[in-house]
Amino acid sequence: AQKVTQAQTEISVVEKEDVTLDCVYETRDTTYYLFWYKQPPSGELVFLIRRNSFDEQNEISGRYSWNFQKSTSSFNFTITASQVVDSAVYFCALSDLQRAGNNRKLIWGLGTSLAVNP
Amino acid sequence: NAGVTQTPKFRILKIGQSMTLQCAQDMNHNYMYWYRQDPGMGLKLIYYSVGAGITDKGEVPNGYNVSRSTTEDFPLRLELAAPSQTSVYFCASTKGGPSYNEQFFGPGTRLTVL
Repeated sequence: AQKVTQAQTEISVVEKEDVTLDCVYETRDTTYYLFWYKQPPSGELVFLIRRNSFDEQNEISGRYSWNFQKSTSSFNFTITASQVVDSAVYFCALSDLQRAGNNRKLIWGLGTSLAVNP
Repeated sequence: NAGVTQTPKFRILKIGQSMTLQCAQDMNHNYMYWYRQDPGMGLKLIYYSVGAGITDKGEVPNGYNVSRSTTEDFPLRLELAAPSQTSVYFCASTKGGPSYNEQFFGPGTRLTVL
């Protein structure tokens, strides 16, 4: 069965620390997509990144970086020099291609709540 | 481009009342979704639609109904509200095509049933 596990329920760091949020997925699809979303305290869901299974290059966007490892079925997210504004819940999601029909559904992890303290 | 809009932002219902949560998108996306998010929890899919006139159940459809008469609109109907339906409701949409694109989310509707 397809599944996304975010084992870290809550993480608390002090500003300027680096922090890594883990995402482990299970799928039998050979082609799949992985996503990260951010939900700040204001509540909206903000798309951060999409990665397809054929692209194993790591991605860096400013202080954010993503490490995609097919061998360990992981798609981890690192924030370098964290800031208070990074405090949010972060969700990892996986494309649900196995199910019948082309419905573009996602399988969501339960999220990791990150608190960055000054 | 307004993206995905939802109304109302907040609502308090009494047990047994009904209401419709509105969702609209102006991106010409075929796929639309309704999620609920309970406090401190992740997203659960209520209903989804792959195009006008086509809807299907998600993980937690009981107590809800949807319709999709146009590409733009995807209202969610709550019949006979119950306290268990107290939640934040998010509408989302995504476009079709050969790859899996990101879902765009509305700002959410915070619903309390007393």
